[in-house]
Amino acid sequence: DIQMTQSPSTLSASVGDRVIITCRASHDINGWLAWYQQRPGNPPKLLIYKTSTLEGGVPSRFSGSGSGTEFTLTISSLQPDDFATYFCQQYSSFSSYTFGQGTKLEIK
Amino acid sequence: EVQLVQSGPEVKKPGESLKISCEASGYSFTDYWINWVRQMPGKGLEWMGTVYPDDSETRYSPTFKGQVTISADRSISTTYLQWSRLTASDTAIYYCARHHGDTNHGVFDIWGQGTMLTVYS
Repeated sequence: DIQMTQSPSTLSASVGDRVIITCRASHDINGWLAWYQQRPGNPPKLLIYKTSTLEGGVPSRFSGSGSGTEFTLTISSLQPDDFATYFCQQYSSFSSYTFGQGTKLEIK
Repeated sequence: EVQLVQSGPEVKKPGESLKISCEASGYSFTDYWINWVRQMPGKGLEWMGTVYPDDSETRYSPTFKGQVTISADRSISTTYLQWSRLTASDTAIYYCARHHGDTNHGVFDIWGQGTMLTVYS
């Protein structure tokens, strides 16, 4: 199985800040990486797939980049709605999907 | 509207069996894999397995293979996750989620609302 490691586990930031969350894969995943946002009491919401493709309706302040085993999610200017938990997920091998452990984005 | 609607919360005792459901609407049910994802209390997401409703082909994570059964009934656009003998460690929220509508790759664009399962004696 491919292991996914996110950092940091918790991030404290303020409205308007630029934040970066990192996800590292144990093997090259050829860019097959997605990011999700989960607010308390809700299912995850897809933000980005194939490393950098924004899902429809997702604000452009969210962006993704990376290659090989290192990937990042950037939020350019935090909004109040963005305080949530973020998960990365690799899907490089069909029917063998794994998620990162999550990054909780908190208000400073 | 494309949506997945899951069955309601369950409270069960250890050793009992259970089958929870996920009903799809708003798209061609047989065209996209449906996945099940576990989230234990306060924890992250774990992919459990997937089913292709057209022919009911299933694939499982090694962690969950033999522990649960995933199935689909194309006549009512519904997928299922079932246990034959529950334990307290099955306490979690279970989500169904669809493979992406544009790519049909293993990234999940539509999620059910989740089914909370509590197992205690």
